[in-house]
Amino acid sequence: QLQLQESGPGLVKPSETLSLTCTVSDDSIGSRNYYWAWIRQPPGKGLEWIGNIYYSGSRYSDPSLESRVTISVDTSKNQLSLRLTSVTAADTAVYYCARGWGDSSVGVFDIWGQGTTVTVSS
Amino acid sequence: AIQMTQSPTSLSASVGDRVTITCRASQGITNDLHWFQQKPGKAPKLLIFTASRLQSGVPSRFSGSGSGTDFTLTISSLQPEDFATYYCLQDYNYPLTFGGGTKVEIK
Repeated sequence: QLQLQESGPGLVKPSETLSLTCTVSDDSIGSRNYYWAWIRQPPGKGLEWIGNIYYSGSRYSDPSLESRVTISVDTSKNQLSLRLTSVTAADTAVYYCARGWGDSSVGVFDIWGQGTTVTVSS
Repeated sequence: AIQMTQSPTSLSASVGDRVTITCRASQGITNDLHWFQQKPGKAPKLLIFTASRLQSGVPSRFSGSGSGTDFTLTISSLQPEDFATYYCLQDYNYPLTFGGGTKVEIK
């Protein structure tokens, strides 16, 4: 079964840039059948959608994060990446990558990574 | 952004009970609504997509219904492994938005 694995620093200083990678266990990241997402969950709180990226290269992200977030795919490495600039304590969360599928849906996330905890603190 | 309101925020139930969780959208979203289950320390798991379609491998005691603004997730006979937090997600338009979650606890 396909697996997703997030990786990156667990601690980031305020005002710095958070960079995470999600490694996909096969080459489906280059398939037009799927799309990819980042979702986060602050401690003790609910799920927050960060953004999606599609085979076409199109990307959509939450307006509250749009000016700070970059989502990209490297098909040669089977990796999805997240970059979030100018972080604050409010960005402390468990960050998940996820795979989505479906021609007419953009939120059917059927496979998730285990999540990686990022703490923003000096 | 479309607001998704789940109710109740938590509930206590016994094994074998029928449980219903509601998700209401701030505007019509046709059937662009999905349900996820999350257990403590684990990633969410897709249960139901497009309001009523059961994800492969999910037990048939889970079902979803609704269209427009009001949606329901029903567990017909609660099992010990169903104690978890449940979230709805709308993808009718961007930004995608989750409901606040419903925690199902053991009575």
